[in-house]
Amino acid sequence: QQPVQSPQAVILREGEDAVINCSSSKALYSVHWYRQKHGEAPVFLMILLKGGEQKGHEKISASFNEKKQQSSLYLTASQLSYSGTYFCGTESGGTSYGKLTFGQGTILTVHP
Amino acid sequence: EPEVTQTPSHQVTQMGQEVILRCVPISNHLYFYWYRQILGQKVEFLVSFYNNEISEKSEIFDDQFSVERPDGSNFTLKIRSTKLEDSAMYFCASSPYRVGEKAFFGQGTRLTVV
Repeated sequence: QQPVQSPQAVILREGEDAVINCSSSKALYSVHWYRQKHGEAPVFLMILLKGGEQKGHEKISASFNEKKQQSSLYLTASQLSYSGTYFCGTESGGTSYGKLTFGQGTILTVHP
Repeated sequence: EPEVTQTPSHQVTQMGQEVILRCVPISNHLYFYWYRQILGQKVEFLVSFYNNEISEKSEIFDDQFSVERPDGSNFTLKIRSTKLEDSAMYFCASSPYRVGEKAFFGQGTRLTVV
């Protein structure tokens, strides 16, 4: 069962902030965030493991709420280069370790 | 940074023909994956491969699909009799471990079935 991302699309001006959410109905071992630009491969942003940690990567950070099986990606002071489609990929335990189930994506557009 | 390489970058084939998509994973990685992305849609898991055998496959990965690691470096995806709906971007990925590790994606092969 695929995770659900919200919102489906976000339009920002440079310097504005955004939050993208990823929710799963299944117990998760980890959440992976990727950004994909049109016609290119997904580019890895970060992994969050169960334990409710929060990680940061420049002005992009994320959190994982294990109780809610939800992860949020925070983009602060957005730049034009942040434009793209953001996917969360979830990894469950058991025999599904390593297999990523991706959400439907959130299209982020940053305007000057 | 090491990278996963895929060939060809674009393949056009006639319906019913066999295609082989090739991937060279990162050399010390142990887990290999194929994903598919139909234009404008999400990335979908096809199959994972470890220790020379399939460890998991999705419902998309039916009898028309097969994977192989023929020579210890290449990782291939074969589609025996292509259908129009097989047109998609196919991504190969590899990771060093199975659990909670970053998966490195290749640049993809765009398959167009006509």
